[in-house]
Amino acid sequence: AQTVTQSQPEMSVQEAETVTLSCTYDTSESNYYLFWYKQPPSRQMILVIRQEAYKQQNATENRFSVNFQKAAKSFSLKISDSQLGDTAMYFCAFMKHVTNDMRFGAGTRLTVKP
Amino acid sequence: DGGITQSPKYLFRKEGQNVTLSCEQNLNHDAMYWYRQDPGQGLRLIYYSQIVNDFQKGDIAEGYSVSREKKESFPLTVTSAQKNPTAFYLCASSAGVDGNEKLFFGSGTQLSVL
Repeated sequence: AQTVTQSQPEMSVQEAETVTLSCTYDTSESNYYLFWYKQPPSRQMILVIRQEAYKQQNATENRFSVNFQKAAKSFSLKISDSQLGDTAMYFCAFMKHVTNDMRFGAGTRLTVKP
Repeated sequence: DGGITQSPKYLFRKEGQNVTLSCEQNLNHDAMYWYRQDPGQGLRLIYYSQIVNDFQKGDIAEGYSVSREKKESFPLTVTSAQKNPTAFYLCASSAGVDGNEKLFFGSGTQLSVL
């Protein structure tokens, strides 16, 4: 089974600054998808950003961008201009192509400080 | 409104009792999933189903059972064999179509043991 590792259990950042969350994964697949999900205190899971492994270009969604390094099996999330509403648990996830089997990392708790 | 509905929001189980968590979606998605989340931890896959009348075990299927008799519904039964059922349970669905892989989540069920 694929494994997803998030090595930073907790992080904090000052409002308006930039923070990067790390994620590595292990797979023998060549075609797959990677995701970052956010879970605020409400516990509702919210999709932040999605990357297709066959695309070399890094995905971007407004203040959120990724650094996808396929050879290194690394998928970090950069949050620019951090806002108080970004405070949440962030989960990195891996989905195998065709089977739609999705696995999650243990999460990083991000706190944005005023 | 299209979405995923989980019920109940809170559920209590007595010793030796089976309980069933409901998950319904009106997104016309083929794939559905059940995850377990323990406090401060990531999501672990219990079962997933790609089509009606078919499902696969995830990493922690022991003590759980599922059925997929209708496309819209994927109930999870927590059996008495699951000795530590207290957790937050999340249901999700996915269109499962190339180029549109991502999970939509319900709002979760918190299960506690009396």
